[in-house]
Amino acid sequence: DGGITQSPKYLFRKEGQNVTLSCEQNLNHDAMYWYRQDPGQGLRLIYYSQIVNDFQKGDIAEGYSVSREKKESFPLTVTSAQKNPTAFYLCASSNDGERQYFGPGTRLTVT
Amino acid sequence: GQSLEQPSEVTAVEGAIVQINCTYQTSGFYGLSWYQQHDGGAPTFLSYNALDGLEETGRFSSFLSRSDSYGYLLLQELQMKDSASYFCAVTNYGQNFVFGPGTRLSVLP
Repeated sequence: DGGITQSPKYLFRKEGQNVTLSCEQNLNHDAMYWYRQDPGQGLRLIYYSQIVNDFQKGDIAEGYSVSREKKESFPLTVTSAQKNPTAFYLCASSNDGERQYFGPGTRLTVT
Repeated sequence: GQSLEQPSEVTAVEGAIVQINCTYQTSGFYGLSWYQQHDGGAPTFLSYNALDGLEETGRFSSFLSRSDSYGYLLLQELQMKDSASYFCAVTNYGQNFVFGPGTRLSVLP
């Protein structure tokens, strides 16, 4: 089955620690995206990548970093510089600009 | 900049028809899509419009007017399982997606 996987589903960290969220897709899509969603809010774009070894900042990139070394993988690191990291993080991919396929999400709690 | 507007909440009864509007301001508009998200879950794709007019997919239809920078999602024969949040999203020519704030639909028995 093709799809996007994110792990883990729930993640707990202490303040001041960096944490990396995994996102893998086997849809052979070129473009991948990371979004942040806060309770009752919409999706805000953190970073996106249209092709391997290239990525662009979204609207709220500060305190986050990404890499795109392989087509199927787009990990997101939440650094200690992110002031309010507790949120629901969603990874998505697309191959046509018409439709995005989302992973199940990672719910990060930082205390 | 880019911005989208949607009503924050809509309530309807089972079997009814509901329309969720979306207005947008963006440069390099390519298309408008709609997503459904149940509480705690990930968004799932519902429909996409690149050209003016109505696209029908079962009980759901989506409309786009490029000249008015406006679209809507029409849900017919509402069911309890349709209670969810609905997001419109604009795709621009950079294949970047910008999402609206979402509309929470409550379907009452």
